[in-house]
Amino acid sequence: AQSVTQLDSQVPVFEEAPVELRCNYSSSVSVYLFWYVQYPNQGLQLLLKYLSGSTLVESINGFEAEFNKSQTSFHLRKPSVHISDTAEYFCAVSAPGRDDKIIFGKGTRLHILP
Amino acid sequence: EAGVAQSPRYKIIEKRQSVAFWCNPISGHATLYWYQQILGQGPKLLIQFQNNGVVDDSQLPKDRFSAERLKGVDSTLKIQPAKLEDSAVYLCASSLVGRGNYGYTFGSGTRLTVV
Repeated sequence: AQSVTQLDSQVPVFEEAPVELRCNYSSSVSVYLFWYVQYPNQGLQLLLKYLSGSTLVESINGFEAEFNKSQTSFHLRKPSVHISDTAEYFCAVSAPGRDDKIIFGKGTRLHILP
Repeated sequence: EAGVAQSPRYKIIEKRQSVAFWCNPISGHATLYWYQQILGQGPKLLIQFQNNGVVDDSQLPKDRFSAERLKGVDSTLKIQPAKLEDSAVYLCASSLVGRGNYGYTFGSGTRLTVV
């Protein structure tokens, strides 16, 4: 079975500063990895995903994540955050070729400080 | 394409009452999921349907929760009787068959408060 650990429940960061949200996964098989974002009072939206190929994946709003198999990590980064990035971010994992389920971490709340 | 539709957006009920949530998936998406998201936690899968059949309901508290997808399209999730610990956001998601593990589309959710 797969599992996901998000090491920080909350991350405060000043506007225009860089940020890293940490995610580690556990799996005995190969994985697909995801970051979902949940803005206040909204549903979950897919931010980016790693399925195969390049280990560095990017979103349209400046976030990127790197799949590191040796460290079983998929940390999310942004070089300069904006107030609009205030949200909860969920790391998630699924197993290709197996059931169609995605397992979510507990989430990291990103607080942007003015 | 239209997204996953859920209703109601908010619901407040007293404990021991019953409540039902509705979900309409993206057209053509045969796989439908219901997740429970308790405040401060990640979403937890309650039940997964493929068309009108249940694929996985291992984490559904069957003594009080039930779900159906009679015609393989819309789905309803019911809680009867509700407990205080059922307060959560209930999220519905859908995907094409065999494509769920590529990432799926969520609705906006129903926020349930049990008082």
